[in-house]
Amino acid sequence: DQQVKQNSPSLSVQEGRISILNCDYTNSMFDYFLWYKKYPAEGPTFLISISSIKDKNEDGRFTVFLNKSAKHLSLHIVPSQPGDSAVYFCAARNSGGSNYKLTFGKGTLLTVNP
Amino acid sequence: DTAVSQTPKYLVTQMGNDKSIKCEQNLGHDTMYWYKQDSKKFLKIMFSYNNKELIINETVPNRFSPKSPDKAHLNLHINSLELGDSAVYFCASSLARGRGYNEQFFGPGTRLTVL
Repeated sequence: DQQVKQNSPSLSVQEGRISILNCDYTNSMFDYFLWYKKYPAEGPTFLISISSIKDKNEDGRFTVFLNKSAKHLSLHIVPSQPGDSAVYFCAARNSGGSNYKLTFGKGTLLTVNP
Repeated sequence: DTAVSQTPKYLVTQMGNDKSIKCEQNLGHDTMYWYKQDSKKFLKIMFSYNNKELIINETVPNRFSPKSPDKAHLNLHINSLELGDSAVYFCASSLARGRGYNEQFFGPGTRLTVL
């Protein structure tokens, strides 16, 4: 059962435009969400996160939006740069749980064209 | 200065063999994890250790045995390797509590191929 879903396996955008990556979750116990970026042959690297008490978190060109009622979050990258081309994973956890488990989506491959 | 390191990066072996993957972190974290990324690209938690104590064991076959000699190391030993064990294995670490405890830092991965 996929508790975190990234329904778009890939996304292609032009340099300078906005990239929007989407993520849906089913487990209402999730209260903390993270985005990771992964280049080929490397491990995922943490990008940005959001707690369920917020609906927006911004860090430079990256903004994450959370819609709790819809169980949906999105990552906005603006302006997009060719170096942003990577696989983006959405992850979620239940901070009140007795362990530290992150549940990941399948990832979305973002390609930013020059 | 690598934060989370894994060895080896690539591992090719025959079915039935026993192999180990090593992981070390120099971030001062007290919690470490092993994840498996299979051919369908899902990253799934396998094990987690906090201060050398097993806290997550996600229904992994008992051919897989994690060992944590100290807080900075979490090794993964796999007995009687099977074709289905072929995957990329990622080690990760995090703080157990405090600021930033939700963020996990990943190693570069070990690509295991079982022939």
